[in-house]
Amino acid sequence: DIHMTQSPSSLSASVGDRVTITCQASQDISNYLNWYQQKPGKAPKLLIYDASNLQTGVPSRFSGSASGTDFTFTIISLQPEDIATYYCQQYDNLPQTFGQGTTLEIK
Amino acid sequence: QVQLQESGPGLVKPSQTLSLTCTVSGGSISSGGYFWSWVRQHPGKGLEWIGYIYSSGNTYYNPSLKSRVTISADTSKNQFSLKLTSVTVADTAVYYCARDVSSALSRWFDPWGQGTLVTVSS
Repeated sequence: DIHMTQSPSSLSASVGDRVTITCQASQDISNYLNWYQQKPGKAPKLLIYDASNLQTGVPSRFSGSASGTDFTFTIISLQPEDIATYYCQQYDNLPQTFGQGTTLEIK
Repeated sequence: QVQLQESGPGLVKPSQTLSLTCTVSGGSISSGGYFWSWVRQHPGKGLEWIGYIYSSGNTYYNPSLKSRVTISADTSKNQFSLKLTSVTVADTAVYYCARDVSSALSRWFDPWGQGTLVTVSS
């Protein structure tokens, strides 16, 4: 299985801050990576697909990028409603696998 | 718009079989280009993909669960189901069904059901 190492596991930031989460794949997955947001008690929601494409309806403060096996998810200006856990997911190889998640809190 | 809803018992005894159904509305599970997946989340933990069924009926299971999992579909009811045999407390989790969208180069889960908590306990 492809292992996805996500960091940090938790993060505390202030409203308006730039927030960055990283995900490293255990092998080359090209750009076959998605990012999801999960709010407490809710199902995950797709934010970014193919490493850098914004899903329809998702605010433009969210973005993603890729460099080799390293992937970055960024919120350029943190909003209170962004409090959630964020997961990366690779789909290059089956089984599809997720990172362990990053829980974002407001300072 | 497509919506998914899980249903099934919230409590299962150890060694028994967990059975869940996902009812799809707003679209047909027989439509090509879509896989229909199950994903679970242990309490306070991350996400684990269980497997999928394709519109053709083909299935693929996560090797970690393959010996205990069956995913099937009832196109007449627009539903797909999960069976997990010989459950233990380690199978206690929130179980989600999701549409697994696949194109030539892209793939993602969207939308998801709301999830259902299944507790394994005697």
